[in-house]
Amino acid sequence: LAKTTQPISMDSYEGQEVNITCSHNNIATNDYITWYQQFPSQGPRFIIQGYKTKVTNEVASLFIPADRKSSTLSLPRVSLSDTAVYYCLVGDNDTGFQKLVFGTGTRLLVSP
Amino acid sequence: GAVVSQHPSRVICKSGTSVKIECRSLDFQATTMFWYRQFPKQSLMLMATSNEGSKATYEQGVEKDKFLINHASLTLSTLTVTSAHPEDSSFYICSAKDGTYNEQFFGPGTRLTVL
Repeated sequence: LAKTTQPISMDSYEGQEVNITCSHNNIATNDYITWYQQFPSQGPRFIIQGYKTKVTNEVASLFIPADRKSSTLSLPRVSLSDTAVYYCLVGDNDTGFQKLVFGTGTRLLVSP
Repeated sequence: GAVVSQHPSRVICKSGTSVKIECRSLDFQATTMFWYRQFPKQSLMLMATSNEGSKATYEQGVEKDKFLINHASLTLSTLTVTSAHPEDSSFYICSAKDGTYNEQFFGPGTRLTVL
């Protein structure tokens, strides 16, 4: 499984856009990129998944350059409730993402 | 999305006793479930993969005789921590794979404290 590298922590203020970048230099052709959010003492929650270019849903956007060696999770206008740990994972969707290996994640702190 | 539940949400036990944690997929069938452990301020660490009707596959360094996993049905997997010790105190999280959507859904976690 491709290893991912993310910043350990990020700080932001309410209303700002937050971009968290993840490096995955060894991503394989069949690998998808998935982001999860985790609040303290809760299980991770799926945010978004993509393969290339740009994916957008109601909570976030995911930007993936052509070489797919990195990806950026974009959270528009964050609020205090977005304070959480964000994990970037890569895996083969054809095999159903059978084994998720979590990296260190990025601890986002949103302040008033 | 699909819902995965865990029971209990938190448990306190004495050293040397065994504790069973249940993981259920509530509205879908899960042929595969996963068990993770998370220590404070750390990431999730995969412990084992639980397959319905067969033996679990354990990650390197995880003692299969200490962490017993049973996946007796398509909606239930159990993790039993045997002869628990204080160092087993952790947050245990399960996830279940929805065969239809190839997505993993996580349970809310179980906080285990061993005194």
